[in-house]
Amino acid sequence: SAVISQKPSRDICQRGTSLTIQCQVDSQVTMMFWYRQQPGQSLTLIATANQGSEATYESGFVIDKFPISRPNLTFSTLTVSNMSPEDSSIYLCSVVQDWSYGYTFGSGTRLTVV
Amino acid sequence: KQEVTQIPAALSVPEGENLVLNCSFTDSAIYNLQWFRQDPGKGLTSLLLIQSSQREQTSGRLNASLDKSSGRSTLYIAASQPGDSATYLCAVYGSGTYKYIFGTGTRLKVLA
Repeated sequence: SAVISQKPSRDICQRGTSLTIQCQVDSQVTMMFWYRQQPGQSLTLIATANQGSEATYESGFVIDKFPISRPNLTFSTLTVSNMSPEDSSIYLCSVVQDWSYGYTFGSGTRLTVV
Repeated sequence: KQEVTQIPAALSVPEGENLVLNCSFTDSAIYNLQWFRQDPGKGLTSLLLIQSSQREQTSGRLNASLDKSSGRSTLYIAASQPGDSATYLCAVYGSGTYKYIFGTGTRLKVLA
């Protein structure tokens, strides 16, 4: 299965600033996803990162707040913009090489906004 | 709309017990179901994946079963150990949806 490197692993940020999270995969993958996990909650899909085109966002998430790039089949970034304390969460990158093999996740980014 | 529920939400057991975690889903038209483990503040580690055509999968002390028609899966952990303490999540993939829907999770604590 794919190996994912996600950076940073954690960060503490001031409100009003932005943070960019990187997800690097050791092999080409068809689909990449970004999830948010708020404290004590399960995972919520933010968007599907599409190579060479705009990301597909889930209901409740917008591009201005969570811009996503995917310049190639092994790399994606998620930016959390104009942060507020409510954005404090774990952000997770996941990939699928073949739906028969399911998801592989990165190690996550623990974000605290103060 | 697919909804996935896990019961119990939290579980505390003494070391050595066999235990069962439950996962229920509302739409039986799934392609596969995946069980994950998550340690506090960390990412998710895949434990087992069951295809819709399968009834169960085993890995070491873990056994996952799937009853698609009733919308249920169980994760059986044999001879639990303190190192098994974590949150366990199930996720279902519906054919053609191109994403997994996650359950609410079960937080397990195994006491030494």
